[in-house]
Amino acid sequence: DAKTTQPNSMESNEEEPVHLPCNHSTISGTDYIHWYRQLPSQGPEYVIHGLTSNVNNRMASLAIAEDRKSSTLILHRATLRDAAVYYCILRLGAGGTSYGKLTFGQGTILTVHP
Amino acid sequence: EADIYQTPRYLVIGTGKKITLECSQTMGHDKMYWYQQDPGMELHLIHYSYGVNSTEKGDLSSESTVSRIRTEHFPLTLESARPSHTSQYLCASSDPGQGISEAFFGQGTRLTVV
Repeated sequence: DAKTTQPNSMESNEEEPVHLPCNHSTISGTDYIHWYRQLPSQGPEYVIHGLTSNVNNRMASLAIAEDRKSSTLILHRATLRDAAVYYCILRLGAGGTSYGKLTFGQGTILTVHP
Repeated sequence: EADIYQTPRYLVIGTGKKITLECSQTMGHDKMYWYQQDPGMELHLIHYSYGVNSTEKGDLSSESTVSRIRTEHFPLTLESARPSHTSQYLCASSDPGQGISEAFFGQGTRLTVV
């Protein structure tokens, strides 16, 4: 299974942009890049996903490197409610017994200061 | 709005008891997952299912068992609870799309075995 590497923790100030990096150098051509976050005492929630092109939604933006070996989750204006653990996950593509598995790593703990 | 429910939210039980953690979803998703998470630690996939009568072991070995008799229901059972089983158990579901579908998580069951 392709693995991801994220910094253990990052800090930001409220109202400032946050760039959360993720390395996935062994990504395969059919792997989708997913981001989830887990707020304290809650289950994870979906943030965004992409394959090759950059993606935007109401929560965040996802910038994917041209070689797909890294990606960056961008929170345009961090709020206190964005303090969470952010997980970068490779969603295995079709075929094989691992199809569709969702495997989490350690994630990045984001602290947002007022 | 996620329609996936776990019961109970909290359970304190004595050693040796048989327990079943319930997970139900009303979204008609084929894929369902069980994760185990200790406080401050990462999520570990312990079981997953691709549909009715399909169950697979996850990445972390677990003494629990699961069944999938109905699409909407994916219960997890511990035949004889031990203190080492104390943890949070999270259930999730997703559409069978080719790596593109988001997963929805329940609120979790926090199990304490005394």
